[in-house]
Amino acid sequence: QSVLTQPPSASGTPGQRVTISCSGSSSNIGSSTVNWYRQLPGTAPKLLLYSNNQRPSGVPDRFSGSKSGTSASLAISGLQSEDEADYYCAAWDDSLKGVVFGGGTKLTVL
Amino acid sequence: QVQLVQSGSELKKPGASVKVSCKASGYTFTSYPMNWVRQAPGQGLQWMGWINTNTGNPTYAQGFTGRFVFSLDTSVRTAYLQISSLKAEDTAVYYCARDDDRSLDYWGQGTLVTVSS
Repeated sequence: QSVLTQPPSASGTPGQRVTISCSGSSSNIGSSTVNWYRQLPGTAPKLLLYSNNQRPSGVPDRFSGSKSGTSASLAISGLQSEDEADYYCAAWDDSLKGVVFGGGTKLTVL
Repeated sequence: QVQLVQSGSELKKPGASVKVSCKASGYTFTSYPMNWVRQAPGQGLQWMGWINTNTGNPTYAQGFTGRFVFSLDTSVRTAYLQISSLKAEDTAVYYCARDDDRSLDYWGQGTLVTVSS
């Protein structure tokens, strides 16, 4: 059981916009910034967004993030087949004194 | 460029120990903490804790105390994860990840540890 809650799956067609939600509590998302990671099949996770909505160098602006209260979301516009991956949200938890991850969302491009 | 290169896959028997290495290059090793993350087969990511690469002080997440030890050799820019008294449920891919203000900005390629008799 993950501390942050994500839908286990999401899907969309090429070109579409999809969003993935991440729900937490006052001890994590409510008091910390959210990071998003993408894990392509058989590879290590990579940082996709940090500090809620900041893109590391090389991440296209098709990826955006937002946070409100104890929830956050990742939006992917102009969906492409190579976006098929597992997406994880994460945040620092003040009560647990550690990083907590969401359970991950498997994105399928139909 | 920043790189974290981990040691290769390990097959161990229950009760044995394993030591996974994570060699960093392309940045000042002691400027960024190193985190460890576990991913059991078919499961999500689980944060194990982190080690201060300046002081060597480790912090372990709940569930990763006792049998898990983080260590460093700063002379070779390498972080280590040692797991003792291995159990079948320790079978997983273990990742090291550089910590930049609580975002894990670079990850190693992962080390598969299989525990089986």
